[in-house]
Amino acid sequence: SQELEQSPQSLIVQEGKNLTINCTSSKTLYGLYWYKQKYGEGLIFLMMLQKGGEEKSHEKITAKLDEKKQQSSLHITASQPSHAGIYLCGADKIGGAQKLVFGQGTRLTINP
Amino acid sequence: GAVVSQHPSRVICKSGTSVKIECRSLDFQATTMFWYRQFPKQSLMLMATSNEGSKATYEQGVEKDKFLINHASLTLSTLTVTSAHPEDSSFYICSATGTGGGFSYNEQFFGPGTRLTVL
Repeated sequence: SQELEQSPQSLIVQEGKNLTINCTSSKTLYGLYWYKQKYGEGLIFLMMLQKGGEEKSHEKITAKLDEKKQQSSLHITASQPSHAGIYLCGADKIGGAQKLVFGQGTRLTINP
Repeated sequence: GAVVSQHPSRVICKSGTSVKIECRSLDFQATTMFWYRQFPKQSLMLMATSNEGSKATYEQGVEKDKFLINHASLTLSTLTVTSAHPEDSSFYICSATGTGGGFSYNEQFFGPGTRLTVL
């Protein structure tokens, strides 16, 4: 079965520091999505990556998909308290007709 | 644009009762809606896919008679948890994909979620 593994599972960072979250797939990714979730709330779409080597940025968040399309990283520069939350990677389920599978999430805490 | 709402946001019920959760696409038509369940500190698990006007398709291990899904219109899908038990307590999230121009094939828009607590 297709699985997504995120690391680390939790991360505590000092405000202003950079951080990286990884998402690794057991199979080739055809569509990789990054979402942010605040506890007890819905998901906020951040970025979607499809091509090997693709990189996208939005404000201080950059996401990359490796050339082999099996690993993605999310990098936050100069972290702020507003970045705190749970980051989830999701991927198109192979043969799944628009279905998504998700990683287990990375809980990010920003200390002032 | 592309807003999805859920109602209620929070519900507490007694064991054995049924609970209905609504998922609405507010400003677009959604041919497909998805229902997810999320347990504390765990990821989203897809429960079922709902297509307007047809029966929902359930993921392996999800009881279709317990989780009734109705997608009667292009803007509304409902999930009814029948004879709820404490183990059904969870965070239920729906998502929707839009039709027509302006929407990517697999771009899902998520609702804010419904927290169900069964006593």
